[in-house]
Amino acid sequence: AQSVTQLDSQVPVFEEAPVELRCNYSSSVSVYLFWYVQYPNQGLQLLLKYLSGSTLVKGINGFEAEFNKSQTSFHLRKPSVHISDTAEYFCAVSRSGSARQLTFGSGTQLTVLP
Amino acid sequence: KAGVTQTPRYLIKTRGQQVTLSCSPISGHRSVSWYQQTPGQGLQFLFEYFSETQRNKGNFPGRFSGRQFSNSRSEMNVSTLELGDSALYLCASSATGADEQYFGPGTRLTVT
Repeated sequence: AQSVTQLDSQVPVFEEAPVELRCNYSSSVSVYLFWYVQYPNQGLQLLLKYLSGSTLVKGINGFEAEFNKSQTSFHLRKPSVHISDTAEYFCAVSRSGSARQLTFGSGTQLTVLP
Repeated sequence: KAGVTQTPRYLIKTRGQQVTLSCSPISGHRSVSWYQQTPGQGLQFLFEYFSETQRNKGNFPGRFSGRQFSNSRSEMNVSTLELGDSALYLCASSATGADEQYFGPGTRLTVT
């Protein structure tokens, strides 16, 4: 079984500042890793994914994440945030080879302040 | 391509009743998964269907069930509703289940 820990439940940051949302996972097998974003009253939108290959993954809206196998982490970063990035962000893991049963972290609420 | 659609978007039911939620996946996608999202428990996997067969099931009671039709559309049913079933129910589709999932907007179920 897999588990995901999102270390910060809330992250306030000023507009145009950099941000890092932290995610650690636990698994006895190889994994796929994902970051999703959820805006109020909406479903989840895929930001980026790590399936294999390069450990630095670039996603939509200027976000990127780095897979670190030794530290079992998959932190999400953006060099300069905008007000429109205010949302809840979820890290998710699945067993490698199958993304159909996702285990999610508890979410991080990112609030971008003017 | 149209995204994942879910109907209805909002639903209010009374304890003891049953409810059916519907999900239409992205065209060409054969795998449909369902998740429950609550403030207390977060996002939890319910079950996954592929080619009309349930392949995976999460840790939910038997009151939660689902099915998938030949056109890949899926329904989930909850019988004998409890107050704790109030949640956002999210459906996600993927082409094969081995790749990323795309989520619909969800159905907000309120049980009174």
